[in-house]
Amino acid sequence: EVQLLESGGGLVQPGGSLRLSCAASGFTFSSHAMAWVRQAPGKGLEWVAVITGSGGSTFYADSVKGRFTISRDNSKKTLYLQMNTLRPEDTAMYYCAKAAEWEVLDFWGQGTPVTVSS
Amino acid sequence: SYVLTQPPSVSVAPGNTATVTCGANDIGDKSVHWYFQKPGQAPVLVVYDDRDRPSGIPERFSGSNSGNTATLTISRAEAGDEGDYYCQVWDSSNEHYVFGTGTTVTVL
Repeated sequence: EVQLLESGGGLVQPGGSLRLSCAASGFTFSSHAMAWVRQAPGKGLEWVAVITGSGGSTFYADSVKGRFTISRDNSKKTLYLQMNTLRPEDTAMYYCAKAAEWEVLDFWGQGTPVTVSS
Repeated sequence: SYVLTQPPSVSVAPGNTATVTCGANDIGDKSVHWYFQKPGQAPVLVVYDDRDRPSGIPERFSGSNSGNTATLTISRAEAGDEGDYYCQVWDSSNEHYVFGTGTTVTVL
């Protein structure tokens, strides 16, 4: 059974940093691209970043490029999102998701909440 | 950037058919995927590659895609189908995933 468990969310001040983790199990982690998707309170889904199975390529939404870094440790079956220079508009539930094929996110974790506020 | 437009809300009577649209320029040239989200829960993939269903998704969920509109059809709607539905594509020009604006389906 595929399981994705996010952690690391919390309350942080504007300009601060946070590192999210997503522990994966139930599938061959290194064979699949992984993504982060966020959802601000009462709003729709917004893609944040994606990384290939090998970790060799990464892509980012314009809203986070240069501030966020997606990475993975295939030996630990864990996905990460390093978030720097956080802004109030980054407040959201952050989901990690497994890509079936490159375009399709077939399994999602339950999310970890991030609040950026002073 | 590539924008996917969905109606904010759709209402359907139990047992009837609900149609959720996703509009964009030449979306028929792309593969469209649909996700369902209940309040407080994570999204679930219900249709991928325009019309295919993951295992465990009822046949009542179907999809199509042509021209400037992709469509998710929910047949014989049930109370458990209530929630938000999002379409999604991969925008290869910008190397971005793009989600639609979302549609709240109400079964009443």
